[in-house]
Amino acid sequence: GQNIDQPTEMTATEGAIVQINCTYQTSGFNGLFWYQQHAGEAPTFLSYNVLDGLEEKGRFSSFLSRSKGYSYLLLKELQMKDSASYLCAVMDSNYQLIWGAGTKLIIKP
Amino acid sequence: IAGITQAPTSQILAAGRRMTLRCTQDMRHNAMYWYRQDLGLGLRLIHYSNTAGTTGKGEVPDGYSVSRANTDDFPLTLASAVPSQTSVYFCASSDGVREANEQFFGPGTRLTVL
Repeated sequence: GQNIDQPTEMTATEGAIVQINCTYQTSGFNGLFWYQQHAGEAPTFLSYNVLDGLEEKGRFSSFLSRSKGYSYLLLKELQMKDSASYLCAVMDSNYQLIWGAGTKLIIKP
Repeated sequence: IAGITQAPTSQILAAGRRMTLRCTQDMRHNAMYWYRQDLGLGLRLIHYSNTAGTTGKGEVPDGYSVSRANTDDFPLTLASAVPSQTSVYFCASSDGVREANEQFFGPGTRLTVL
């Protein structure tokens, strides 16, 4: 079967750095997406990785290792507005997104 | 309008009733999707449409039907609602269906079936 695993909840301090991990087992791989979802709102796109390595976009970076079936999202200089759920999704061989359950990130002052 | 709209925002429905959730996008995207989101579970694909006039079944299609008569609209119908269909429903669209095409999501419809 297809499976995406990510921690249920994480807590971090304002101004710090946090890394949210995602491991996956899917039938085929056509890229990995990270989305942010604030409570009661729709998911919004953060990043896309299809090749191994690190993609940096401002305070957010995303890393992929296809051989290990592993990705992480790195958030730097945390702000209170970063409190949200972070969703990992893999595009499978049918070009459909398989979603993890999301990681709820709580930022404390 | 800009982006994707969904209606209604929320709905309480008696079991056995028929219900259509509406979704409209103005980005001229080819592909559209319907997901449900339940606590503790990832988004699950119900139905999708790669282009106007075509539809396909996702992971959890039973009890739901869709149509795609034109590019902009992608309604989701529950023929006879059951309590297990209580969920938050998101419509999404993307320019294409392959690789790097990010999906844009509507604001969601919160449906409660009693």
